[in-house]
Amino acid sequence: SQQGEEDPQALSIQEGENATMNCSYKTSINNLQWYRQNSGRGLVHLILIRSNEREKHSGRLRVTLDTSKKSSSLLITASRAADTASYFCAYDRGTGNQFYFGTGTSLTVIP
Amino acid sequence: EAQVTQNPRYLITVTGKKLTVTCSQNMNHEYMSWYRQDPGLGLRQIYYSMNVEVTDKGDVPEGYKVSRKEKRNFPLILESPSPNQTSLYFCASSSRTGSGYTFGSGTRLTVV
Repeated sequence: SQQGEEDPQALSIQEGENATMNCSYKTSINNLQWYRQNSGRGLVHLILIRSNEREKHSGRLRVTLDTSKKSSSLLITASRAADTASYFCAYDRGTGNQFYFGTGTSLTVIP
Repeated sequence: EAQVTQNPRYLITVTGKKLTVTCSQNMNHEYMSWYRQDPGLGLRQIYYSMNVEVTDKGDVPEGYKVSRKEKRNFPLILESPSPNQTSLYFCASSSRTGSGYTFGSGTRLTVV
């Protein structure tokens, strides 16, 4: 399977703390994206990082990409209860539009 | 409002009874895709389409069909549903390869 893997599978933190989740993948990639999913609902695109980029920021989100280790991390700073959701990485290999998702990290932010 | 619309949201059906889940997007996106989401397995791609009349298999295409006769619509067809197709299905679209997907709200399908 070309699916990515994320860790931890579940993460519970206090409001105001930072949350870090990691994604590992198996192939060379064109770009890597992060999505959020609130319980059973559709996924929402958060941020995209291209294979020639190492770090990207968007508001309280920071994404890093290490193509030599085939890994990426998503950092959410100063977390809020509303950040409670599942987070997925996703990537394509640039061979078309075949897109692979990681297995997800379930984040709980305790008020 | 830019969106991907899936119907129905919930569906319970019996084994072998053909069904279609519709998907429509209003963003003039070239790329559309279907995923199924199962506990512990994440999202797996069923079929994708890079443009009208261009479709290709994803990771788990068995038991599914798709068509892309118009740019905005990408229906998912289960000719003879089986219980192992019970899942949460998502349709998604994007403007070009490598840009973010917009997802529909999902269709929860139960096959008994």
